[in-house]
Amino acid sequence: DSGVTQTPKHLITATGQRVTLRCSPRSGDLSVYWYQQSLDQGLQFLIQYYNGEERAKGNILERFSAQQFPDLHSELNLSSLELGDSALYFCASSVGAEGQGPYNEQFFGPGTRLTVL
Amino acid sequence: AQSVTQPDIHITVSEGASLELRCNYSYGATPYLFWYVQSPGQGLQLLLKYFSGDTLVQGIKGFEAEFKRSQSSFNLRKPSVHWSDAAEYFCAVGSYNTDKLIFGTGTRLQVFP
Repeated sequence: DSGVTQTPKHLITATGQRVTLRCSPRSGDLSVYWYQQSLDQGLQFLIQYYNGEERAKGNILERFSAQQFPDLHSELNLSSLELGDSALYFCASSVGAEGQGPYNEQFFGPGTRLTVL
Repeated sequence: AQSVTQPDIHITVSEGASLELRCNYSYGATPYLFWYVQSPGQGLQLLLKYFSGDTLVQGIKGFEAEFKRSQSSFNLRKPSVHWSDAAEYFCAVGSYNTDKLIFGTGTRLQVFP
């Protein structure tokens, strides 16, 4: 158990809908990362938040957005869903100390499996 | 741009046999390299990492990896595979000025008794 929790475990929805995925980081971790794992794109970095602020952005679609709340949990919002958004969405957390780069070991949650029908 | 290539999509070995999973990276500066394992229905777990120093890195579960700069490789090895090692293995590269990880496409390991 990494200490990172994600809810829900599974989500089935229809095209055009909007969903919210939730992530609670490990106690003491300030950084939260979101990754998407799909069959055709593999495991891709979406976005990172550090202590409530966006720190880095990857291949995140404009239909997707995220935020990190004062209690450090994070939510990933996916809107106008398409069939191709079906994937496993991982959240990871790290201490996120400034300037430490990859020394900030990332601990991954179990993921949320999103199925868009 | 950083990239990671894992040439083997699927590998099958017998229990007790040795294992080597290949990883090649592309990065202009000193790379920071990682191997993660993903068991079915689980998140990713860090096996080992290389930042600098000794090019042979020891990890958890009896795994090791060797960094070879001349070959831009970071291959994962295990001398004797156990059935519980069946999983998907991801190589990843990071850089000092960003926390994000670039992952390879993964290698699925199947272990036969």
